[in-house]
Amino acid sequence: LAKTTQPISMDSYEGQEVNITCSHNNIATNDYITWYQQFPSQGPRFIIQGYKTKVTNEVASLFIPADRKSSTLSLPRVSLSDTAVYYCLVGGGYTGGFKTIFGAGTRLFVKA
Amino acid sequence: EAQVTQNPRYLITVTGKKLTVTCSQNMNHEYMSWYRQDPGLGLRQIYYSMNVEVTDKGDVPEGYKVSRKEKRNFPLILESPSPNQTSLYFCASSHTPLTGGGDTEAFFGQGTRLTVV
Repeated sequence: LAKTTQPISMDSYEGQEVNITCSHNNIATNDYITWYQQFPSQGPRFIIQGYKTKVTNEVASLFIPADRKSSTLSLPRVSLSDTAVYYCLVGGGYTGGFKTIFGAGTRLFVKA
Repeated sequence: EAQVTQNPRYLITVTGKKLTVTCSQNMNHEYMSWYRQDPGLGLRQIYYSMNVEVTDKGDVPEGYKVSRKEKRNFPLILESPSPNQTSLYFCASSHTPLTGGGDTEAFFGQGTRLTVV
């Protein structure tokens, strides 16, 4: 499984756009990139998944450059309720095995 | 409503007393897994199951057992709990492994906070 590196923490203010970058230099050809959000004492929640270029849903956008060695989760106009830990996961395609490895995640703190 | 149900939510037990944490999902998912979460260590996978009667170790399987006799249930068994197994436990299910392509959205249970004294 590809190792991922994310910033440990980030601060933002309400209404701002937040971009969290994940580095995955050893990503394999078949690997997908998936992001999860976790609130304190709750299980993680799926946010978005992508393979290349840009993916957008009602919650976030995911930008993946051509070399796929990094990805950026973009949260538009964050609110206080977006304060959470965000995890980037890379792997799968059945070449990376069936284990799931969560990194330490990025703790986002949104201030009023 | 799609959900993963864990029981109990909170449990205090004594060292060596066998316990089982149940996990049930109603989405007909093939892939189920257990995680423990400790401060500063993030989520670590204990065991996972690709389908009925197919289970395998995650990153921290020592001291735990699992079984998958039915597709919907994936209990976590601690035969002889020790204080270092005090943690927050999550069960999750999805159609495929979390990092695979396709329909990999995982659903997590509410968590079980276990204290072993």
